[in-house]
Amino acid sequence: RKEVEQDPGPFNVPEGATVAFNCTYSNSASQSFFWYRQDCRKEPKLLMSVYSSGNEDGRFTAQLNRASQYISLLIRDSKLSDSATYLCVVNVAGNQFYFGTGTSLTVIP
Amino acid sequence: DTAVSQTPKYLVTQMGNDKSIKCEQNLGHDTMYWYKQDSKKFLKIMFSYNNKELIINETVPNRFSPKSPDKAHLNLHINSLELGDSAVYFCASSSRSRGETQYFGPGTRLLVL
Repeated sequence: RKEVEQDPGPFNVPEGATVAFNCTYSNSASQSFFWYRQDCRKEPKLLMSVYSSGNEDGRFTAQLNRASQYISLLIRDSKLSDSATYLCVVNVAGNQFYFGTGTSLTVIP
Repeated sequence: DTAVSQTPKYLVTQMGNDKSIKCEQNLGHDTMYWYKQDSKKFLKIMFSYNNKELIINETVPNRFSPKSPDKAHLNLHINSLELGDSAVYFCASSSRSRGETQYFGPGTRLLVL
């Protein structure tokens, strides 16, 4: 079983739509959680960390459910520039990071 | 200023050759990593390293070896390159005292012919 699982998509949504991605992780000892964004032929970049109480950064909202071992990312009012692959990342302990396969998002004009 | 840099950006080589990819970070981080991203875009950790410990993903062939001359550098040496080694290799760094956020280099696109 993979450490982190994501729906690969692709998600094709119109501008202005709200879109949600989910991610599940298998190790209950996981300590910290992140969403990264990766543009085509570029490196992954941190979008936001995910905190137990949930957190928001502008149009982006991240949620963590430890009991069910899943993480979510909600994007409101989608922009063309949001088109990218979104990677769910879990830190189990110390240097052990596990990446999901990524969810591809295309925002259509 | 580039935070995490890698050289070369592109590397095309023949099977059986030995090659190195260099990585440098100027963020003062204590931990560095190498990842491999294959054609299916799956990003898999190969090594993590700080000045105290090297953690190796057990699935990584021993043809791959990290070499760290100092805290700011973690180079990746690959012996006897194989066709299946073709991928994008990303270096990253993080700091335990700053929340473990990883910063990635731009990647090295390796093609083995």
